[in-house]
Amino acid sequence: EPEVTQTPSHQVTQMGQEVILRCVPISNHLYFYWYRQILGQKVEFLVSFYNNEISEKSEIFDDQFSVERPDGSNFTLKIRSTKLEDSAMYFCASSAEGGAETQYFGPGTRLLVL
Amino acid sequence: SQQGEEDPQALSIQEGENATMNCSYKTSINNLQWYRQNSGRGLVHLILIRSNEREKHSGRLRVTLDTSKKSSSLLITASRAADTASYFCATDARISGGYNKLIFGAGTRLAVHP
Repeated sequence: EPEVTQTPSHQVTQMGQEVILRCVPISNHLYFYWYRQILGQKVEFLVSFYNNEISEKSEIFDDQFSVERPDGSNFTLKIRSTKLEDSAMYFCASSAEGGAETQYFGPGTRLLVL
Repeated sequence: SQQGEEDPQALSIQEGENATMNCSYKTSINNLQWYRQNSGRGLVHLILIRSNEREKHSGRLRVTLDTSKKSSSLLITASRAADTASYFCATDARISGGYNKLIFGAGTRLAVHP
């Protein structure tokens, strides 16, 4: 069964460093999302992406964040200068359609900023 | 309460018993989805119920939706130790252009004891 994959599974970085989290969505999906979950808290929406542009972003998704689909398969989340509070589990998701359709999540990248 | 709030926050049962988790939300929705998360792992999609549906079944899972009360319930019948996980409901919030983002509740932590 097709699935969303994410790399790396864990990343430790120093505050102020740039990190790139990678995702390979399900191959025929067109809508892509990033969410994050701070330990012990809710899963929060960060950004949605369609047709090579951001369709919506949350207040969390400030200028330090960017997303890109550099080729036909990868979808990346870049945090330009990490802060301690960026430590969280980051989930990528994809869906075949943007409407009321199932979003399939990857296994997540656990990011720890020291 | 916020969109997609589950209760109870924690539920502890014996194997073979049924587990019922509830979710309430505030705004109109197109669909409601239930996800499972094993400790520190990714989100596994369980079931999606559309706003015009009242009940849906998938194996040992039964989901109901009452749009007049803005609530949903997830019933797991004949629970197993492997069902131990956190369960989240997620409602969609339609973004301009037809895309949607998911708003997650805080989840119910289910523990099934052998």
